Formats: sequence, structure tokens, C-alpha cells
Amino acid sequence: DTAVSQTPKYLVTQMGNDKSIKCEQNLGHDTMYWYKQDSKKFLKIMFSYNNKELIINETVPNRFSPKSPDKAHLNLHINSLELGDSAVYFCASSQDRRETQYFGPGTRLLVL
Amino acid sequence: GEDVEQSLFLSVREGDSSVINCTYTDSSSTYLYWYKQEPGAGLQLLTYIFSNMDMKQDQRLTVLLNKKDKHLSLRIADTQTGDSAIYFCAESIRNTGFQKLVFGTGTRLLVSP
Repeated sequence: DTAVSQTPKYLVTQMGNDKSIKCEQNLGHDTMYWYKQDSKKFLKIMFSYNNKELIINETVPNRFSPKSPDKAHLNLHINSLELGDSAVYFCASSQDRRETQYFGPGTRLLVL
Repeated sequence: GEDVEQSLFLSVREGDSSVINCTYTDSSSTYLYWYKQEPGAGLQLLTYIFSNMDMKQDQRLTVLLNKKDKHLSLRIADTQTGDSAIYFCAESIRNTGFQKLVFGTGTRLLVSP
């Protein structure tokens, strides 16, 4: 009965690799988000999709590419990983673009 | 501007009340939220308040909003060791029909027995 789920939970990889993080929500929500939480616990929005359409892109490097195959999924692909990409990435969803957001458990990415 | 500030740490004894404070800058925020993050876990929505309200109470939680001073607080009554976590306030900023959340820096609450 998980509401917002993410895979994998942990991801350890080498600099320069390409990796993907997946997010799925079973709440029937229209809008999904990706947030990044750095080592100091600071949380900042990266992207938002509404009905598979990109509506927020907060000056994130081009190496990050979100993909929404359908309303229930928002995946995050990262090319050429850098040390500074190490963080916890949270997915969230809301009923529509104006409503309360519910968060997934996070994916802990460590780039070596 | 988009800036949400919180004090970094708060330490209380079990059974005391905890008050976590937050200041925000965007006067157009319509909703303000409190989220809780336990160690190694995701963000759990605790409560939220609409900007035309001054106070909202939900069991042990009381949210106070001073819109004039752009100040938000979360009071936890009878604080328990299980309340130890990081608490984030967030303001919703609306832009051309969508909202984004701007989070504060988080307040680490430590509850000692």
C-alpha cells in the first residue's frame, strides 16, 4: 500500500557513470516532483511534471534528465555523474499542481 | 524572494513542550507546511496551515502563523523521544498556476529522557 515509492534506496557508483532513479506513485496524483537534499540536509526542488508535462525546471544541469512515461511514474536519469551529485534524491507527488505534496522514502546516491 | 529560515537545533526533555520557529519571505504564500524527517527516512507531512488562518491544532501539534511578521511556529506538546527528528517548514510559492515548495534549513529536535 506504498504511496510514493523509489528505487533503488541506495546507489553507489563511480564518477562518470550514468544512472537512473525510478519513482512511482499509486495515489492517482497528476503532478510529480524531484527534490535534492544535500549533505547539510538542505532540500531544493529540481523538476516538476504535471500530466507528463514538464512545468518546473530549477536550473538543474543538463546531465539530469527527468522522464515521465505516464502520470504515475517520474524517473530521473543522470549522465556523467560527478562527486557533487552525491545526495539524497526525493520524489514527491500531489493531486494537482497546487496541492499538498507527499514524499517518497528517498534514494541515497554516493558518487566515488 | 525565496528564503525560509529556521534555527538549527533544539534540545528538550521528555514531557516538555517544544517550539520550532520558522520565518519566510514570500508574502504571497498560500500554504505553509511542516514536515518531519527521521534519521535515514523520507519526509513525512505533519500538518499545514492556510495563510488566512492564525492557528491550527492537531492533537499534540499546534501551528501558529503571524502573517504580518511572516513567522510560523510548530508547538509539540508533551514531547516524546520518538519526536526526535529534523523538522522542516516549507512555504508554497505559486507561479503561473503551479506551486513549488521552498524548504527551510531544518531544525534538529533532540528529546532526552
